[in-house]
Parts: sequence; C-alpha cells; structure tokens
Amino acid sequence: KQEVTQIPAALSVPEGENLVLNCSFTDSAIYNLQWFRQDPGKGLTSLLLIQSSQREQTSGRLNASLDKSSGRSTLYIAASQPGDSATYLCAVTGFQKLVFGTGTRLLVSP
Amino acid sequence: EAQVTQNPRYLITVTGKKLTVTCSQNMNHEYMSWYRQDPGLGLRQIYYSMNVEATDKGDVPEGYKVSRKEKRNFPLILESPSPNQTSLYFCASGTGASYEQYFGPGTRLTVT
Repeated sequence: KQEVTQIPAALSVPEGENLVLNCSFTDSAIYNLQWFRQDPGKGLTSLLLIQSSQREQTSGRLNASLDKSSGRSTLYIAASQPGDSATYLCAVTGFQKLVFGTGTRLLVSP
Repeated sequence: EAQVTQNPRYLITVTGKKLTVTCSQNMNHEYMSWYRQDPGLGLRQIYYSMNVEATDKGDVPEGYKVSRKEKRNFPLILESPSPNQTSLYFCASGTGASYEQYFGPGTRLTVT
C-alpha cells in the first residue's frame, strides 16, 4: 500500500528565505507526482506536476524534483514571501487515484 | 473559466437525514473523483469515475454512494449520514487519473 510522508509538518521562516519541503513515498510505481497548495477554507491549487519520467519541473519561484528510485520529491521555494503561507501537499498518482501526504504548513513572516 | 464547482460549501445536518453534495466540471473531463480530508489522515479517496456510468470504490467508500449519469456531474450521496462522516469533502476532475487533477473548493459537512 502506497504511503506518502511529508516532513516537516510545519515550518516558519522569515520573508526572503529559500526553503525546501520534502515528500517521500514507499512505492516507486507511480505515474506522476503533484504538488498542491491549500489555503484555509479553500480548495487545492495545483502547483507542479512531474511525470514519472521527468526529474524536475519549474514554475516561477517554485522548483520540484523527483527521484523515483529513492521515493523522494522536494519542493524548493525561492525568496519566500508572506503570500506563500499555506499548506503544501504532495500527492503521487497510482492506479485511478492520488495518494496524499498530510502536508507541510508553511508560515512566512514579514 | 475552467472550474470544478461543489454545492453546498457548508452543511450541518443530523444523523440519518439523507443528503447529496453536487459536483460539476466544465472541462469535459472523463475522470472524476471524491476525497475526504480529515486532520492527521490527509485526503483519502472515496469513489472515482472513469466515465459516464463507470464508477468504482476508492479507499473509504463505506456510507457513500455516487452516480455518473452525465459527464459533467458526479454527485456524492450520503443516504444515512453519521457523525464519523463529518469532514471536508473535495471533488476533483482530470482528463484521466494519471493527468493533472483539478479540485473543487470543498464542502465542509458536519453531522450531529
């Protein structure tokens, strides 16, 4: 059974800092991995999707990497801003479903 | 605007009173699914649908029903809600399960 773990569960940083969020999964047989952002009271917003054949994806200040063989992904956020404060979820796609981690709650202070 | 909509957004109900949460997408996606989110447990899949009249159970289907009579709609039915179904529910859609998933805004359900 696929299990997804995210570390740390919570992170507090000052504005401007570069940071890394970690995601690990137990079964390397995945189609892709997605990183989502969740704001309180709102739905999930897809940030990046990495296909299983890819190593990384970039969007603006965000960079996500995927190492399928070791079961790990990282989300790198450059020059963090208070508006980046949210919960970040990673999810791996298996057969007909996404399996989610429990998220990292990020707080960026001005 | 491409989107997934859910209604209602908030619902408080009593044990045993049947309810339906609607989900609709305007992107002509074949694949749709329902998840529930609980503290410490993350999001877990309830049901999914690969196309019209094609539905199947996810990881936590007990106490729920779904139907897919039209491509754009995928309602979640709780025929006899219980307090352990108090949760935040999300509907999602995508071209297929292995493609990017788009999520609705969520429905917060409280069963007393």
